[in-house]
Amino acid sequence: DQQVKQNSPSLSVQEGRISILNCDYTNSMFDYFLWYKKYPAEGPTFLISISSIKDKNEDGRFTVFLNKSAKHLSLHIVPSQPGDSAVYFCAASTSYDKVIFGPGTSLSVIP
Amino acid sequence: EADIYQTPRYLVIGTGKKITLECSQTMGHDKMYWYQQDPGMELHLIHYSYGVNSTEKGDLSSESTVSRIRTEHFPLTLESARPSHTSQYLCASSVAIGEQFFGPGTRLTVL
Repeated sequence: DQQVKQNSPSLSVQEGRISILNCDYTNSMFDYFLWYKKYPAEGPTFLISISSIKDKNEDGRFTVFLNKSAKHLSLHIVPSQPGDSAVYFCAASTSYDKVIFGPGTSLSVIP
Repeated sequence: EADIYQTPRYLVIGTGKKITLECSQTMGHDKMYWYQQDPGMELHLIHYSYGVNSTEKGDLSSESTVSRIRTEHFPLTLESARPSHTSQYLCASSVAIGEQFFGPGTRLTVL
């Protein structure tokens, strides 16, 4: 059973608009959440993370929101740029265990 | 420059061959991981190591084996490749549980 779910396999957004990528998790023991970005033929690269003691973390154009009661997090990219077109993986872990990845959402930013 | 390397990047081989996928990192990280990923799917952890002479199987059963006799080197071996082993193999390393640094991956095709 998937512990980390990304129910939208793909998303298309116009350049300059906001991209919102969603992620749901089932394990209430998760206390650290991460987003990775992956271009074709490359390995994933770390983008941003959030600890369960926070509900928001911002880094430039990227903001991650965490709603623990709903077991939901989202990644906001604003403004979206064509170079943001990639697959985005949501991931979660506990302090002492392995990272569990979601299936990814493919984002296309249209110029 | 601190980095993580994987070779080969692409490999096409026949059934029954023995192969070794190489992974090396120059960051001095104790923790290293091997993931398997099929297109549109999540990354599945197949092996991990928390230090020299320490290896564990991951959540996804795999017929591959790994070794960790040096901190920087974490090779993965398939004794007899089969078409079901066709996939992308990603190596990663980390200091702590959480943010992982990924190599570029090896795309393996077994005919």
